[in-house]
Amino acid sequence: QVQLVQSGAEVKMPGASVKVSCKASGYTFTSSQIHWVRQAPGQGVEWMGIINPSGGSTIYAQKLQGRVTMTRDTSTSAVYMELTSLRSEDTAVYYCARAAGWWAMDYWGQGTLVTVSS
Amino acid sequence: QSALTQPASVSGSPGQSITISCTGTSSDIGGYNYVSWYQQHPGKAPKLMIYAVSNRPSGVSNRFSGSKSGNTASLTISGLQAEDEADYYCSSYTTSSTPVFGGGTKLTVL
Repeated sequence: QVQLVQSGAEVKMPGASVKVSCKASGYTFTSSQIHWVRQAPGQGVEWMGIINPSGGSTIYAQKLQGRVTMTRDTSTSAVYMELTSLRSEDTAVYYCARAAGWWAMDYWGQGTLVTVSS
Repeated sequence: QSALTQPASVSGSPGQSITISCTGTSSDIGGYNYVSWYQQHPGKAPKLMIYAVSNRPSGVSNRFSGSKSGNTASLTISGLQAEDEADYYCSSYTTSSTPVFGGGTKLTVL
């Protein structure tokens, strides 16, 4: 069965960076793109970007350009999302989700809480 | 890209039908048939309920249906059940080659 398993919760100081991992299993890793989405406490869902595990190409949300980097490791079927220059507004649950086509997201990771606080 | 517009909350009694609207522009909903709907229970990851405007993934109840007219998409839940109480988000592809989500709608089953 398709599974996306994310790394554990993180607490970071303002200005620091965080790198969240998402390990895929149950399907051919390079056959589906992976989205990253985040959700601030009590707020809605925000799209962050997408990575193609096959060639590594990415598209990022304009709002996060310059601060976000998505990478992949085909040897371990994992994708990574790194966010730099963290501020309190980046406190959120970060999700990876498999692209299903038609720009839908059919399988989601369990989420990773990133807390930015001094 | 501005978020799609959803009502903050809707409610209904068990057995009734409700509809959640999602309004965008010709640059997103109106321009593509790439509208998705997600259900999210508290503390859980979102779950795909509808894709490509009106298609249900395998395993999703046929009580859930989607449609689109112009720049507005809709999610209808018929035969409302207590377990349907959750937050619902719409999403659409946009002319920016990226997706955008709605602000979310809290469904309360009375």
